[in-house]
Amino acid sequence: ETGVTQSPTHLIKTRGQQVTLRCSSQSGHNTVSWYQQALGQGPQFIFQYYREEENGRGNFPPRFSGLQFPNYSSELNVNALELDDSALYLCASSSDRLYEQYFGPGTRLTVT
Amino acid sequence: QKEVEQNSGPLSVPEGAIASLNCTYSDRVSQSFFWYRQYSGKSPELIMSIYSNGDKEDGRFTAQLNKASQYVSLLIRDSQPSDSATYLCAVFFYNNNDMRFGAGTRLTVKP
Repeated sequence: ETGVTQSPTHLIKTRGQQVTLRCSSQSGHNTVSWYQQALGQGPQFIFQYYREEENGRGNFPPRFSGLQFPNYSSELNVNALELDDSALYLCASSSDRLYEQYFGPGTRLTVT
Repeated sequence: QKEVEQNSGPLSVPEGAIASLNCTYSDRVSQSFFWYRQYSGKSPELIMSIYSNGDKEDGRFTAQLNKASQYVSLLIRDSQPSDSATYLCAVFFYNNNDMRFGAGTRLTVKP
């Protein structure tokens, strides 16, 4: 166990809806990164938060947004859900933006 | 060209053999390199990190980095059936503060 937790475990949403996923980082970690992993693919970087600021972003549209709180937990928000958003969403925390990242168990999102 | 490339496999080795996993990456500013193991239905688990050229050993695992050739590899000695998983190579690129993963190599260790 890495100490990184995510909620919920599974989620089913309808196209066009909005969703919020949550992540609690490992104790002592100030950086949280979010990834989307489609079946059979490696994780795709969505964005990273470092000390409550967005610190880097991958090739995802603005309807993917996030927050990091003073306790370094984080949220991923996705608006106007599309069928292709169905995937495993992973968050990972690290003690600094450059160092090893430890993943939570993930949230499986299904969009119908 | 993808930024991080791995042979998708599957790679099959007999129990006790050495498994060799390879990864190449594009020419961007990078410094941090990682290997993750992912069992089916689970999230990735960090097994090795390497930051400078050369070899790094941890138990049965050895990571090798050659920045001039843009190449990083993972060797698993005395492979066990429990090593059967997908192995993901990850590279942290400084210019956008993002971590890029390869698609993974599926390894099967046969008893």
